[in-house]
Amino acid sequence: KAGVTQTPRYLIKTRGQQVTLSCSPISGHRSVSWYQQTPGQGLQFLFEYFSETQRNKGNFPGRFSGRQFSNSRSEMNVSTLELGDSALYLCASSPRSDRVAEAFFGQGTRLTVV
Amino acid sequence: AQSVAQPEDQVNVAEGNPLTVKCTYSVSGNPYLFWYVQYPNRGLQFLLKYITGDNLVKGSYGFEAEFNKSQTSFHLKKPSALVSDSALYFCAVRGPNNNAGNMLTFGGGTRLMVKP
Repeated sequence: KAGVTQTPRYLIKTRGQQVTLSCSPISGHRSVSWYQQTPGQGLQFLFEYFSETQRNKGNFPGRFSGRQFSNSRSEMNVSTLELGDSALYLCASSPRSDRVAEAFFGQGTRLTVV
Repeated sequence: AQSVAQPEDQVNVAEGNPLTVKCTYSVSGNPYLFWYVQYPNRGLQFLLKYITGDNLVKGSYGFEAEFNKSQTSFHLKKPSALVSDSALYFCAVRGPNNNAGNMLTFGGGTRLMVKP
């Protein structure tokens, strides 16, 4: 069974631009969550989508948005990029949206904003 | 609000010795606790979880964790460390509110260095 696939793996963008990251969950998984990992702030929850609906949202500005498609694939978008948005963005999928199910993570997309 | 603390930024242990990576949590109600490991340039890999039941949880690669409700701790352990265990370890918690869905709150991470 294929794991969580994130594309692209690496990305360099200029301040002020926007970026879209993609995540394909494990087949059959309907929940997709996004996390930002930085050396200073650690791992922080961005949002979760389940059955095309945003279930939860972390404490990030409105420049961060996401969506989920009917095949459970998800995208996250960051507009008006800032230098501080440079981070490893991790996507995780779970079969369900509940407290019990473990999350399976992709390898991440490393975004560098210059 | 829930939180997780990993008091040690780095743990050094010799190969073959037992290892412990510490984690304490703060959450209202019963916690759901997880350990993940991250190797360089990789995502997080699930090791084990505590939901309910036996306080000693066994997971992947010979790791286990002990849940202690009175001390609000969930320490990761392994009887005999391997050099290949060297990685970044994260403890995470989900709160009792089912509306929290899959949202995980992570600790800051502990780097484990196992020396030959």
